[in-house]
Formats: sequence, structure tokens, C-alpha cells
Amino acid sequence: AQSVTQLDSHVSVSEGTPVLLRCNYSSSYSPSLFWYVQHPNKGLQLLLKYTSAATLVKGINGFEAEFKKSETSFHLTKPSAHMSDAAEYFCVAASPYNTDKLIFGTGTRLQVFP
Amino acid sequence: KAGVTQTPRYLIKTRGQQVTLSCSPISGHRSVSWYQQTPGQGLQFLFEYFSETQRNKGNFPGRFSGRQFSNSRSEMNVSTLELGDSALYLCASSTLRDRGSHEQYFGPGTRLTVT
Repeated sequence: AQSVTQLDSHVSVSEGTPVLLRCNYSSSYSPSLFWYVQHPNKGLQLLLKYTSAATLVKGINGFEAEFKKSETSFHLTKPSAHMSDAAEYFCVAASPYNTDKLIFGTGTRLQVFP
Repeated sequence: KAGVTQTPRYLIKTRGQQVTLSCSPISGHRSVSWYQQTPGQGLQFLFEYFSETQRNKGNFPGRFSGRQFSNSRSEMNVSTLELGDSALYLCASSTLRDRGSHEQYFGPGTRLTVT
């Protein structure tokens, strides 16, 4: 069975400092992996996706994530946080064989202080 | 291109009532999925429809049901509402995709409060 674990429920950073949101997955096959962001009272917006091409994936708003099969990780990073990055971030997995059932992590709330 | 729209955005119901939520996918998208988001359980998959057929279903009781129309618009219905059904209900649409793509576009959600 697939599962996604987000290792931190809350992360706080100062504006201009790096962001690291951690995600580990468990799967018997190579999954598709995504990061979504949810701003307050909004739906989810796709930041980036990994689909077995390049292991380093660049997304919108300066975010990127690296797929590391040996560590079963897909951590999200950004070199310099902006106040507008404050939101909830979800690491998500999908099976290539059960195409439409997304498995969500529990989310990481990112706070950015001035 | 317009995004996924959900109506209503906010809803207050009392226990025992039923409710119907609506989702209009992005034009050309034929797959619609529904998710429930609560503080305690996080985001959980409810069901997915494609071409008016339910293709996948999550682990929710039979009080939760849905359907999809020929224009791809979808509705979900919850009967005999319970307090625990209070949640943000999110709809997502997607196209028939290449293997492994799975990109879903989410609507803003319907906030349901059961009193």
C-alpha cells in the first residue's frame, strides 16, 4: 500500500532564508509525486510534479523538489522564503496503476516571519 | 480558460438533513474527483467520476454519493448529515492523461458546517 509522510506539521522560517519541507513516501513501485500548496480558504494549487523523468523537479514560485529513490524522499525546497509563501503544503502520491486516487500527506504549515 | 468552480462556497445545515454540492470542471476535463478535508483526518479521497461512471471510491459510508452528467459537471450528495461531516469539500478535474501525469486542478471548495 502507498503512504505519504510529511515529517513536520509546522515549519517557521524568516523571510529571505531557505525553506525545507520534508516528505517521505512508501510504495512498492515508483510513484508519481506532487507538491500542492493551499492558501487560506483557497483550493489546492499544483507546485510541481515528479513523473519518473528528471529527479530534480522545478516548480512555480521558485520551489523545487528532488526525488531520491534510495531515501524514498521527495523534499520541497526554496532558496529564499517570501512572505507570500506562508500556506499549507501537501505532499501527494499517485499510483500509475490506479490513476485517479491521490494519497495526501497530512500537510505542513509554513510560517514566514519578517 | 476558467478554472474549476464549486457551488455553493459556504453551506450551513442541521443534523439529519441532506445536502448537494456541485462542481463544474475545467472545459474539456472529463474526470472529476471529490475530496473531504477536515482538521482531524486531513484530505481524504471520496470518489472519482469519468464519463458519467464512478471509477474509484474511497472509504466513506453510503451516505456519500455522487454523479456526473454528460457535460462532465458533477454533484455529490450527503444524506442524513452528521456533525462529523462538517468539512471543506474539494473537487478536482483532470483530462485523460498520459501514464504517470495525474495532474488535477482543484476548485476553491465548499465549506459545509453541520449544526
